[in-house]
Amino acid sequence: LAKTTQPISMDSYEGQEVNITCSHNNIATNDYITWYQQFPSQGPRFIIQGYKTKVTNEVASLFIPADRKSSTLSLPRVSLSDTAVYYCLVGDVGYKLSFGAGTTVTVRA
Amino acid sequence: DVKVTQSSRYLVKRTGEKVFLECVQDMDHENMFWYRQDPGLGLRLIYFSYDVKMKEKGDIPEGYSVSREKKERFSLILESASTNQTSMYLCATGQGPNSNQPQHFGDGTRLSIL
Repeated sequence: LAKTTQPISMDSYEGQEVNITCSHNNIATNDYITWYQQFPSQGPRFIIQGYKTKVTNEVASLFIPADRKSSTLSLPRVSLSDTAVYYCLVGDVGYKLSFGAGTTVTVRA
Repeated sequence: DVKVTQSSRYLVKRTGEKVFLECVQDMDHENMFWYRQDPGLGLRLIYFSYDVKMKEKGDIPEGYSVSREKKERFSLILESASTNQTSMYLCATGQGPNSNQPQHFGDGTRLSIL
């Protein structure tokens, strides 16, 4: 898996948009960018995956610039229940996963 | 939606016991995985299986074994539990090894060895 760098923590308030940027300068041509969310005492949950440009689903959007050396996960109008750790993974997520520290997002009322 | 079910959320066992953790998936995925997650160490792969009766060691297989007799079920066995195996254990499934086929996780079993 390519090395990724993301902020350790972010604070937000209910109703705001949260954007988490992940840097992955060594991304390979075939690599996908995948984000997981993990709540305390639960397993990681796949939330979104993309290769280039923009991907949107019912949970989040993923923005990937043309050079693909970074990506931004966007959580629209967060609520208290979005408080979790968010992990950015780049590369082969089919076999060995490598979760770093992730970004702890805390949403306050 | 993929459903990955782990048999217990919390489990307390004693040193030296043989411990079985069960995982069942309902999506007909080929691959199944067992990880442990510890603070500061992230997720570490213990074993994985890409087919019935097939298994491969992960990064930390010592002290563990696995069994996959049916496609939907993957068991992790602690042969003789020790206190350093106290951890959160996570089962995952996946369709294949490629980058665009993400893994799906169960809710985990928090195992305490006394």
